[in-house]
Amino acid sequence: EIVLTQSPGTLSLSPGDRATLSCRASQSVSSYLAWYQQKPGQAPRLLIYGASSRATGIPDRFSGSGSGTDFTLTISRLEPEDFAVYYCQKYDDSPRTFGQGTKLEIK
Amino acid sequence: QVQLVESGGGVVQPGRSLRLSCAASGFTFSSYGMHWVRQAPGKGLEWVAFIWYDGSNEYYADSVKGRFTISRDYSRDTLFLLMNSLRAEDTAVYYCAKEGGAWGSGEYFQHWGRGTLVTVSS
Repeated sequence: EIVLTQSPGTLSLSPGDRATLSCRASQSVSSYLAWYQQKPGQAPRLLIYGASSRATGIPDRFSGSGSGTDFTLTISRLEPEDFAVYYCQKYDDSPRTFGQGTKLEIK
Repeated sequence: QVQLVESGGGVVQPGRSLRLSCAASGFTFSSYGMHWVRQAPGKGLEWVAFIWYDGSNEYYADSVKGRFTISRDYSRDTLFLLMNSLRAEDTAVYYCAKEGGAWGSGEYFQHWGRGTLVTVSS
């Protein structure tokens, strides 16, 4: 079973900073990698699919890259509403494992 | 627009059963794979189960295999999760999620419901 490991566990930054979140898979998932954002008390929201394609309505400050086992979510300039928990997920086959999440907090 | 509305959560004793529902609208229900995902209090997301768009295949997380059953009713555009032999560790918010592409063409989770809370406690 493929394991997804996200780093760092917590990232402390300020509005306007650039955020770089990592997701590493224990085996290749090709480009079948998605990123989700979750705010307290809300359902997750799809940000990125296919490792680098932005979902509908997602601002272009969010970008994804990578393939195989190493993936990155970059937020170019943080807005106050971007502080949340971010999860990566593989969807090449079942189980559709999630990473453990990265909490992006205001410094 | 796409709407997914979960119901059926509540407090249940260990060992008992509960059936969750997810009412879908705003899209062609019979064309999309559907999933259940759960989140224990203060924890991360855990994928639970998946059913193909045509209902022909089901997949489960090891943690629920043999206890949970996913199904769908095309006449009511509703997804179900039957949970048997519930344990304290099944306590979580349960979300239903719709895949992004029809007929398995995009298997990321494009739309999510708001979730329903299941608490397993004596």
